[in-house]
Parts: sequence; structure tokens; C-alpha cells
Amino acid sequence: EPEVTQTPSHQVTQMGQEVILRCVPISNHLYFYWYRQILGQKVEFLVSFYNNEISEKSEIFDDQFSVERPDGSNFTLKIRSTKLEDSAMYFCARGTGIEKTGELFFGEGSRLTVL
Amino acid sequence: AQSVTQPDIHITVSEGASLELRCNYSYGATPYLFWYVQSPGQGLQLLLKYFSGDTLVQGIKGFEAEFKRSQSSFNLRKPSVHWSDAAEYFCAVGHMYNAGNMLTFGGGTRLMVKP
Repeated sequence: EPEVTQTPSHQVTQMGQEVILRCVPISNHLYFYWYRQILGQKVEFLVSFYNNEISEKSEIFDDQFSVERPDGSNFTLKIRSTKLEDSAMYFCARGTGIEKTGELFFGEGSRLTVL
Repeated sequence: AQSVTQPDIHITVSEGASLELRCNYSYGATPYLFWYVQSPGQGLQLLLKYFSGDTLVQGIKGFEAEFKRSQSSFNLRKPSVHWSDAAEYFCAVGHMYNAGNMLTFGGGTRLMVKP
């Protein structure tokens, strides 16, 4: 059973449309992360989220991206205006709660296809 | 900046044969090292991790990895491969910062198992 549940498993959207990907942890944690994997490429860090704030983000995470945890449970990644190059598998991950261990537990991913 | 190299993009082994997947990293301090496995259509599952101490670490599914500081390597091994081990394997180095952990992944090695 995955540590986090991600929805949708697959979304197809038109270029320029907004997309929201959701992540629900099984248990309550403070540290959350989004990674993405473009087909055939490396898994890349996007953003980390701690105590309801962004704590670190990569250069990929530009103004088109945002994250929030609106209800204290769901953790969302929003892409405001999708581009073709946003097509990828997006993985949510949670930390252990003892972050010095560095261990991350990933969800099964949300595949985004931008047409 | 940290980086991870997995020199082998594809590896094919016969069922029952031994396996070694190579991983080299570049990191300025003592690294936190991980191996994850991704089965088709699935998320990333942690196989094993190295933080400190014994340089030979044991993981799930009969895998082990050895940290060699002098070679900047963290190779994954399994003495006898099973058909169900066919998957993509990712080595990662963790970067600890104030509020969490950021993983840098290698490009992955796709393992195919011949009957």
C-alpha cells in the first residue's frame, strides 16, 4: 500500500489549461515533496513543503507552479497554464517526520499528458 | 552541486544469475545514499539506504549495497535475480537542509531478466 495516495492517476489536458494534482498522505506528516519524471529522463526535484510553507524549490518550479495544503490533509500541485513540456509523471512524497534520516516515501504518481 | 551517475542504462541478466548495478555520486560531504525501484506503472519504492556506519547495507527483496567512499560508489547487488526483479532502478543522493531532504537521482538502470 502506498504511503501517499495520488489523484488522478492519469490526466490529459489541453495546452494552456490549469491542472491540479492531489496527494493525500496516509498518516499525518509535516514534510511533503513533489518530484517529476519526464518520459525517459531522470526523476527531478520540484519543491518541498514543510509546516504549510515552501521550504525549497528548484529552478523548474517557476511561477506557473504552486503548492498548497488547503485543508491540512490534501497536498496539491497546481500548474496554472500547462505547456507541452509539462507532460510527465508527477510524484508526491512524504518525509519520515525525522528529516535527518532523509528517507522519502513516494506515491504511485500522476501521469500528466498535455496536448 | 551533487550529482549521481548510473553508467548502465540497460542490463539484461538471466534468472538466477547475480546482479550488480553501478552508481557513482558526487557530493561535497558525507552522502546519504538510496536505491529506489520502479516497476512498470508504479511509484518509487525504497530498497535500501545508507546514512552512516556499516558500509554494507541490506535492503528489501534480498538486495544489498556497498558504500565505497574512495570510489564514490554505492553499487547495488543481488546474488540471485528473480523474474519479478525486472524494473527500473534509481540511485539517489540526499541533500539535507534546514527543513527537509532533497534527493538527486541518477538516470536509472532498466533491468531485464531472461528466463
